[in-house]
Amino acid sequence: QVQLQESGPGLVKPSQTLSLTCTVSGGTIISGGYYWAWIRQHPGSGLEWIGCITYSGTTSYNPSLKSRLFITADTSNNQFSLKMNSVTAADTAVYYCARVRELHYYSLGVWGQGTTVTVS
Amino acid sequence: EIVLTQSPGILSLSPGERATLSCRASQSIAGNYLAWYQQKPGQAPRLLIYGASNRASGIPDRFSGSGSGTDFTLTITRLEPEDFAVYYCQQYASSLKFTFGPGTKVDVK
Repeated sequence: QVQLQESGPGLVKPSQTLSLTCTVSGGTIISGGYYWAWIRQHPGSGLEWIGCITYSGTTSYNPSLKSRLFITADTSNNQFSLKMNSVTAADTAVYYCARVRELHYYSLGVWGQGTTVTVS
Repeated sequence: EIVLTQSPGILSLSPGERATLSCRASQSIAGNYLAWYQQKPGQAPRLLIYGASNRASGIPDRFSGSGSGTDFTLTITRLEPEDFAVYYCQQYASSLKFTFGPGTKVDVK
């Protein structure tokens, strides 16, 4: 059973770069038909899609965040990562990684537990 | 960009009652690439429905999804105590782009 686990600093200073990693266990990120996504949730708010990467490295980003984002995949360690630069207090949120399954109409069927990032 | 609107914002019901949640898209969603998620406080979202009407693995049959084009519905036939939560719809456009609706909170009346 595939599991995802986010890791990274819980506190980031304004103007610095937020760096998070999602480690995939019980499966491999190079599996065909799956994509790997980042989503965030501001305190008391809904879900915001951040971006997505395929195992081959093709990326797609939320247009509103695109200029600050960089998502990469590390197939040797079965991980994918998010970097967001020039963070502000508005980037304080719970960050989730998730697996997208193409066969299931591009739904997000597996999620990490989420990690809280505070910008202060 | 397709914008999703969910209604109502809050749905106050009693256990055993039927819940009907709406998700409306600003443009037609091709291929029924529409999913529903349940989120409880302090937890990650959980996939309930994909492809507008397909239940995800392990989801009880009291949950059902319907709709096409721009109007989609999540129905919970008889609310169990564990069903009181926030529900989100999500759509997939082409080129790996996704959007979520703002959510509907189902709370105890």
